[in-house]
Amino acid sequence: RKEVEQDPGPFNVPEGATVAFNCTYSNSASQSFFWYRQDCRKEPKLLMSVYSSGNEDGRFTAQLNRASQYISLLIRDSKLSDSATYLCVVPSGGSYIPTFGRGTSLIVHP
Amino acid sequence: SQTIHQWPATLVQPVGSPLSLECTVEGTSNPNLYWYRQAAGRGLQLLFYSVGIGQISSEVPQNLSASRPQDRQFILSSKKLLLSDSGFYLCAWINTGTGVAEAFFGQGTRLTVV
Repeated sequence: RKEVEQDPGPFNVPEGATVAFNCTYSNSASQSFFWYRQDCRKEPKLLMSVYSSGNEDGRFTAQLNRASQYISLLIRDSKLSDSATYLCVVPSGGSYIPTFGRGTSLIVHP
Repeated sequence: SQTIHQWPATLVQPVGSPLSLECTVEGTSNPNLYWYRQAAGRGLQLLFYSVGIGQISSEVPQNLSASRPQDRQFILSSKKLLLSDSGFYLCAWINTGTGVAEAFFGQGTRLTVV
C-alpha cells in the first residue's frame, strides 16, 4: 500500500457545486496532515492544516478520520479559480519528511 | 518573515552536461531542507533532505547529489545529466522548531534535458 493515496480525478464540476476529495494514508503514527494546492506549472502552496478532527476556512473544510486513516477536503460553492490540483501531504518520520499523494485534479467550469 | 529563493526558474541543458540548482532560505535558522522532483503529470518524488549543515539523506539513488554548505543553503547537483532528469525541481523547508510540519516551497526550476 502506498503511503499516501489520492483519487487522481479529474473532477469536473460546475460553478457553485460542492466537491469532496479523499486521501488515505498508511502511517498510523502520523499526527499532522496538510492539503496543498498546485496550479499548473507552479509550486504547491499550503491550503489547510489538520491536527485534530478537522479544520474549516471559509468554503474549505478538511476532516480527519484516524480510525480509517483518511483525510477529506470539502469545497463548497466552487469557483472557477478553484481549478487546480489538490495534494494531500502526510509528514512521516522524525525528520518531518513530507510525503505527497499524487494529487487530485479539479476543473470547475461555468 | 521567512522566504525561500530557488534559481534558475528555467533551464535547458544538453545530455551529459553538469547541473547546479541552488536554494536559499531567509528569516529562519536550522530549517529542514528538501529537494523534490515532479515529472510531467506525476506526483512529487523526494530526492534528498537535510536536517543540518553537511547532513544529507538520499531517498532515490541516481546520478544526482545534494549538499548543504551553509545552514540556509541547499544545492542539487549532477555531473552528467540524463534525459530522464527532466522535470520540475522543487526546494522546500520546514521549521521544525515550531513543532509544526508545514512545508514551504520555492518557485521551482523547470529543467529540460535535450
